Amino acid sequence: DAGVTQSPTHLIKTRGQHVTLRCSPISGHKSVSWYQQVLGQGPQFIFQYYEKEERGRGNFPDRFSARQFPNYSSELNVNALLLGDSALYLCASSLSNEQFFGPGTRLTVL
Amino acid sequence: DAKTTQPPSMDCAEGRAANLPCNHSTISGNEYVYWYRQIHSQGPQYIIHGLKNNETNEMASLIITEDRKSSTLILPHATLRDTAVYYCIVRVLYNNNDMRFGAGTRLTVKP
Repeated sequence: DAGVTQSPTHLIKTRGQHVTLRCSPISGHKSVSWYQQVLGQGPQFIFQYYEKEERGRGNFPDRFSARQFPNYSSELNVNALLLGDSALYLCASSLSNEQFFGPGTRLTVL
Repeated sequence: DAKTTQPPSMDCAEGRAANLPCNHSTISGNEYVYWYRQIHSQGPQYIIHGLKNNETNEMASLIITEDRKSSTLILPHATLRDTAVYYCIVRVLYNNNDMRFGAGTRLTVKP
């Protein structure tokens, strides 16, 4: 079975631009969570979606938004990119109590 | 802020047991202890979790103190492939919007 997949794997943007990151959960998983991992730190929780509804939001500005589609895949959108948004963005899906993480999208903002 | 405290780094000889400590002195009665690890350039991988009893699976053992204020993850026979950052997290079961990762412990297994 395929694990959690994310696209693209790498992305380079400039300040002020907008970015969309995509995540496909494990088949049958209805919950998707997004995390930001800055170099040298642990992942920081951004959003959780379950059955297309937002169930949780971390301490991130409104420039960050997300949505979940009927097939449970998800998009993370970041507007007006800042240099500090450079990070590894991780998606995780879950069926119950264990989260399965994807390989992440490495975003570089120049 | 993370609810756990871990040493920033540890070394272990290949084939020996690796014992990774975690302090979680403010843990609530309904919070479980979870361990994940992250090998370089990959997403975190679930290892094990427990509430108050010791747990063992094919990857590791989890020892939780009786007062639940600390725990130890044990990798019984560490291999070079176990070199990774290990994260200890406390959270309510099924509450996936409460996963607070700290900086973790960077375990280096040496030949």
